[in-house]
Amino acid sequence: NAGVTQTPKFRILKIGQSMTLQCTQDMNHNYMYWYRQDPGMGLKLIYYSVGAGITDKGEVPNGYNVSRSTTEDFPLRLELAAPSQTSVYFCASGGGRGRRNTGELFFGEGSRLTVL
Amino acid sequence: SQELEQSPQSLIVQEGKNLTINCTSSKTLYGLYWYKQKYGEGLIFLMMLQKGGEEKSHEKITAKLDEKKQQSSLHITASQPSHAGIYLCGADIRQTGANNLFFGTGTRLTVIP
Repeated sequence: NAGVTQTPKFRILKIGQSMTLQCTQDMNHNYMYWYRQDPGMGLKLIYYSVGAGITDKGEVPNGYNVSRSTTEDFPLRLELAAPSQTSVYFCASGGGRGRRNTGELFFGEGSRLTVL
Repeated sequence: SQELEQSPQSLIVQEGKNLTINCTSSKTLYGLYWYKQKYGEGLIFLMMLQKGGEEKSHEKITAKLDEKKQQSSLHITASQPSHAGIYLCGADIRQTGANNLFFGTGTRLTVIP
């Protein structure tokens, strides 16, 4: 069982560059999420999706974009990288029904991004 | 986040000792999720609590939800080196279930053999 797979695991970007963090899950989960984790700050929700074609902003969406064209994939796009986006990014997925997912979340191993 | 405070921030215990980690919310809790994170890895789900007074156990880990105090505690009995890691609580404070969890900053647990 692959679960939630994120790529790349590490990446260094220059200011102003763009990149996409890939996330795929093989559990047929409707719900998918992107979090960022800064040192000493806990996880903050960037975007989430309750199903294919539906995305919603989380707590810190500025500077990011997402799409959900399939159930399996939920890529996170950084258009103009800034040093403030240096962080560890986690993708997660969850089962459940309706728009309110009350189940557990399954996390990927994280993608460490540095913007110089 | 300011909505959720965890204490202590770090904890060093001798193997075999008991310990408690607390998670306190400034807002009403509609659900509380406990996760464990090992360095360089993702989060692993431990337990979910949704009702006031609810208590759940898994192996030597017990979590309780005190809805009135807007607080949850995670208790580990007879700690082992395998318990080492970062424990995070995630709270549903907007009745959106797990769709918009606010996470605490984590408690780093070290267990000395």
